[in-house]
Amino acid sequence: NAGVTQTPKFQVLKTGQSMTLQCAQDMNHNSMYWYRQDPGMGLRLIYYSASEGTTDKGEVPNGYNVSRLNKREFSLRLESAAPSQTSVYFCASSGPGLAYNEQFFGPGTRLTVL
Amino acid sequence: AQSVTQLDSHVSVSEGTPVLLRCNYSSSYSPSLFWYVQHPNKGLQLLLKYTSAATLVKGINGFEAEFKKSETSFHLTKPSAHMSDAAEYFCVVSDLSRAGGTSYGKLTFGQGTILTVHP
Repeated sequence: NAGVTQTPKFQVLKTGQSMTLQCAQDMNHNSMYWYRQDPGMGLRLIYYSASEGTTDKGEVPNGYNVSRLNKREFSLRLESAAPSQTSVYFCASSGPGLAYNEQFFGPGTRLTVL
Repeated sequence: AQSVTQLDSHVSVSEGTPVLLRCNYSSSYSPSLFWYVQHPNKGLQLLLKYTSAATLVKGINGFEAEFKKSETSFHLTKPSAHMSDAAEYFCVVSDLSRAGGTSYGKLTFGQGTILTVHP
């Protein structure tokens, strides 16, 4: 099992450009999440999908959109990138079973917006 | 609302000496608590978790943590630090939520503690 995979690993954008970050999991998990990590702030939840067909805003959703394409895939889109979106982005997944709230993380995407 | 406070942003120890990373939490319910580790330029790896079973939790690589409800703490310890322990550590609290008939965990992360290990 690959676990949680993310593409790309690195990306540089110019202000105003758009891009989509891809995430896939092969653990048959119901729930998927997108976080951003900034120095000294831990990880903050951008959007989550509790199950296929549902998505909800997290703590910092402004400037982002998501799509739960199917049970395996959950993408994050930046429509018009801003320098404030320079960050490391992590995708995670969880459940079903006893460990509903234990999340498994991907390796991250390092995004720089110039 | 739940919250997590990691009391030290940086901890520096010598190899072979004990490690203590402190974490206090706030939660309205009986929470699940986790410690994750992140090595430089890597993703997050689960070290250990508390889910209302034994209050002393053992994790990977010799780490353990004790859940103290009266003190709302979940400090991470290791008897003897190794150079490979140098990383950033996150204390995390989780409450189970439900949406559309599905249970899922909403995680709240602490700000992180960077552990430096000197030879």
